[in-house]
Amino acid sequence: DAGVTQSPTHLIKTRGQQVTLRCSPISGHKSVSWYQQVLGQGPQFIFQYYEKEERGRGNFPDRFSARQFPNYSSELNVNALLLGDSALYLCASSFDGQNIQYFGAGTRLSVL
Amino acid sequence: AQRVTQPEKLLSVFKGAPVELKCNYSYSGSPELFWYVQYSRQRLQLLLRHISRESIKGFTADLNKGETSFHLKKPFAQEEDSAMYYCALDSGYSTLTFGKGTMLLVSP
Repeated sequence: DAGVTQSPTHLIKTRGQQVTLRCSPISGHKSVSWYQQVLGQGPQFIFQYYEKEERGRGNFPDRFSARQFPNYSSELNVNALLLGDSALYLCASSFDGQNIQYFGAGTRLSVL
Repeated sequence: AQRVTQPEKLLSVFKGAPVELKCNYSYSGSPELFWYVQYSRQRLQLLLRHISRESIKGFTADLNKGETSFHLKKPFAQEEDSAMYYCALDSGYSTLTFGKGTMLLVSP
């Protein structure tokens, strides 16, 4: 099993643009969570999805949105990018009923 | 609101020395606490969780509800323990609140 996979690995955007990040969970995992990790900080929770429904949302503006597909993969969208959105975006998957989360390697987003 | 505090950004020890990485939390309910570790050029991975009460790679952590702490300990540090360590709290539905992390450097 390849574990949680995220794409792309790196991304460079300019202010005002929109970005879509993708995540494929571990096979059999039905829950996907997204985290933002700014340099020098711990990961900060953005969203959690389970069975295509949003189950939790962190303290992020409405410019951030996400969805989960029938195959349990997920996309994170960020609109109207700001310089402060530059960060490592982590996806984690977990099997329902357990709260051990398995993390992907992340997508490094740079906003210029 | 829940919060996790790791007071040390960097902890530097010599090989064979004892290690204690501090973690304090604030949460009104019954928390589940974790330690995650990130080795150089690897992804974030679970080291241990308090409900398992097990020792992983020689590390242990005990939840002290009175002091709201979940410190990570190892009696004899090894060079391969050098990594970034994050304490995290699950307040439900696998929503993790992380501390800022402590970099552990073990010198030969």
